[in-house]
Parts: sequence; structure tokens; C-alpha cells
Amino acid sequence: DGGITQSPKYLFRKEGQNVTLSCEQNLNHDAMYWYRQDPGQGLRLIYYSQIVNDFQKGDIAEGYSVSREKKESFPLTVTSAQKNPTAFYLCASNGGIPGRTEAFFGQGTRLTVV
Amino acid sequence: GDSVTQMEGPVTLSEEAFLTINCTYTATGYPSLFWYVQYPGEGLQLLLKATKADDKGSNKGFEATYRKETTSFHLEKGSVQVSDSAVYFCALSTGNQFYFGTGTSLTVIP
Repeated sequence: DGGITQSPKYLFRKEGQNVTLSCEQNLNHDAMYWYRQDPGQGLRLIYYSQIVNDFQKGDIAEGYSVSREKKESFPLTVTSAQKNPTAFYLCASNGGIPGRTEAFFGQGTRLTVV
Repeated sequence: GDSVTQMEGPVTLSEEAFLTINCTYTATGYPSLFWYVQYPGEGLQLLLKATKADDKGSNKGFEATYRKETTSFHLEKGSVQVSDSAVYFCALSTGNQFYFGTGTSLTVIP
């Protein structure tokens, strides 16, 4: 089945550590996105990528980094510079005509700072 | 800039009641409009969509009509079930990005 796989589902980070969230898709989509979800705030865009080896900052990119070395993969690193990383992180992809087709989402990763 | 405003919740309804969740948008150009549903601890799933004015999207008894004159895309269902309890997000896309509302939590009680 085609889809987006995020791993792990739950992740715990000690303060001062970097952690990487995985996002893999087998939909052959060019565009991929990372969103952060906090209670009552909807989805906020962290980074997006329209093509391999290219990506752009979203609204809340500070303290995060990404790479896009393969079409299928768009990992997100939460660095120690992110002061409040506890949240639910969602990866999405889109492969159709820009502005005309929907985004497909993974199941999310819940990150907790301990 | 582009944005979506949706009705704040939470919304609590009895089973078989009529549901309306309001959504209005601001966009340059001609956006496509979407409703997504999120169950606890999961990602978002597409519920329905409309890509041009006057289009009606429908799925699983839910409907929404793209109204350009009122810049709205209200979600409706004639008779809700307990299984419809979830968070609903209105969204738009005008190009390479998506813009989401803050979500409306719906609880349906038997």
C-alpha cells in the first residue's frame, strides 16, 4: 500500500540532545512538508521541500533542520536550540498539480522532552 | 496572506443531530479547499475537497460547498454518529503550500 510512514510514533528527548524524526513516502510525490501541532493551535509549517536537494523554511523553522537527499525521505532534526520541542509532529506529501490536490499525512510522531 | 478561519469548538451534539462547522478563507488567486479529519493520536485524513467555485465535495455523509461570493466552505452532515467524534480541520491550497484552520473538536454523545 502506498503511503507515508513516520517513525518512531513516540520519542523522548533529554534536554540538550538532538533528535531526528523519520518520514518516508512511497507515493512518488515531489513535495514534502513538516508540521508541528500543539493543542488549540492547529498545524504550523516548519519546513517544506518541492524537490530533492532543495527545501524552504516555514513559519517556525528556528531550532529545526531538514535534508532531502532522496525523493522518498524527508527527515526532521529537532536541535537543542529548539526551546520547547514537546509537540506532535506531522509529515505530509503532495504529488499532484500544485494548488489542486490534497496533502497526504503520516501518523505522526509525539516528541516529549524529559 | 492566505489564511483559514474556522469555528471554534468544542462542539458537542447528540447522535442523529445536524452538524455545521463554519469555515471562511482569505486567499489570493483561486484556492482549492479541503476538510480533513483527525482521530486521537493519528495524522490527518482527507474527508472531502473542492477545487473551484460552486463545487460540492462529499464523503461519508459529509458535504461542503465552495462559495466564492462568501469565501466560505462550511462542513455539514445531516445526522451525526458517535463514530464521527474527532477534530475537523478546514484547509486551503493556492500553490505549493497548505494553510490550515485551528481545528474544531466534535464530540457526539449517544
